[in-house]
Amino acid sequence: GGIITQTPKFLIGQEGQKLTLKCQQNFNHDTMYWYRQDSGKGLRLIYYSITENDLQKGDLSEGYDASREKKSSFSLTVTSAQKNEMAVFLCASTTGQSQNTLYFGAGTRLSVL
Amino acid sequence: AQSVTQPDARVTVSEGASLQLRCKYSYSATPYLFWYVQYPRQGLQLLLKYYSGDPVVQGVNGFEAEFSKSNSSFHLRKASVHWSDSAVYFCAVSRNNYAQGLTFGLGTRVSVFP
Repeated sequence: GGIITQTPKFLIGQEGQKLTLKCQQNFNHDTMYWYRQDSGKGLRLIYYSITENDLQKGDLSEGYDASREKKSSFSLTVTSAQKNEMAVFLCASTTGQSQNTLYFGAGTRLSVL
Repeated sequence: AQSVTQPDARVTVSEGASLQLRCKYSYSATPYLFWYVQYPRQGLQLLLKYYSGDPVVQGVNGFEAEFSKSNSSFHLRKASVHWSDSAVYFCAVSRNNYAQGLTFGLGTRVSVFP
């Protein structure tokens, strides 16, 4: 088995601030994802990466940057936090085969004051 | 484009009662279908998945789901729920570009009362 570790668990930021979320996996999976989870809106894909140094935009990439410098890690940056924003950011990974069972971290909970 | 509809945002059941959560999908070919569960302050965990073959698939903790191509559905069932089954349940379908992962429904929040 493996585990996906997301840091920090909770993140409180100020409006306009740049905020970075980190994700580490020890599955040795090729593909990693960042999803945003808002109450009542399900999960929306922000960025994904199919291998080290690869970055692909998802459905909700505006306002975010991502980085995949190592196979095991995938970082997400909120480029300018929006006032009163509240969301959970979930990192996931998979082998990349078409069956696509995704394994998730516990999430980072963001609140912007 | 693929999509998933979970028509019930919230379901309340008594402990020991049966549970059915509905899921309808839209997909151009034969889909890969999944049910995930999310417990409070945790990530999503896989309950079961369907690729092909027997339309009834068994998952963890007594859950099963039935695929229907004619109805474009993948409903989740459990014969007798426990209070620990209180969680949010997500149905998901593989995306046309499988590298993009899954498309998720909005989820159904299940509350089990004693």
